[in-house]
Amino acid sequence: GNSVTQMEGPVTLSEEAFLTINCTYTATGYPSLFWYVQYPGEGLQLLLKATKADDKGSNKGFEATYRKETTSFHLEKGSVQVSDSAVYFCALSRLISSGLTFGEGTQLTVNP
Amino acid sequence: DTGVSQDPRHKITKRGQNVTFRCDPISEHNRLYWYRQTLGQGPEFLTYFQNEAQLEKSRLLSDRFSAERPKGSFSTLEIQRTEQGDSAMYLCASSLAPWDRGSGEQYFGPGTRLTVT
Repeated sequence: GNSVTQMEGPVTLSEEAFLTINCTYTATGYPSLFWYVQYPGEGLQLLLKATKADDKGSNKGFEATYRKETTSFHLEKGSVQVSDSAVYFCALSRLISSGLTFGEGTQLTVNP
Repeated sequence: DTGVSQDPRHKITKRGQNVTFRCDPISEHNRLYWYRQTLGQGPEFLTYFQNEAQLEKSRLLSDRFSAERPKGSFSTLEIQRTEQGDSAMYLCASSLAPWDRGSGEQYFGPGTRLTVT
């Protein structure tokens, strides 16, 4: 079956530090890949997506590249801000089975 | 467009009671999904609808759970004879079918937090 594995958290960084949150997946075929973010007290929001191999999704300074050879979709940001503190979820979907499969989530805290 | 809405936002019930949640999707979206999220975990897929047809149900969806989308617009999720293990956040999401536009990205509502005492 499908599965998503994220790096264990929580992650604590200082403002302006470089961020990487690792995500690897197991799926048959060619899934679409997503990063969702959940800010404190808010609902899940789509952060970025990639639908085929070597696609790069980007939004709000965050980037992730769909790497089929390593089955990975790592999230990166060059300089984090306090406002980036949130829980980040990696997820995948397949066209035929439309439910999203989520990773466990990674709590990010950015200190001033 | 006001996004996906869910009602109620919070529900406290006693074990053994039945509860029903409602979800109103984004108006042009033909797909609607239900997920369950427990503390510290990612959401787990329960079921989804394409218009009024329920196309897939997860093994997580026991016989005590039933979902409907009678006119292809709003949906309800009912839990019968609630158990303490049902305590969770129940999330609704909507999307266009992948062949309509985009990659099937899903937009989530704020969730209904259920506490079973």
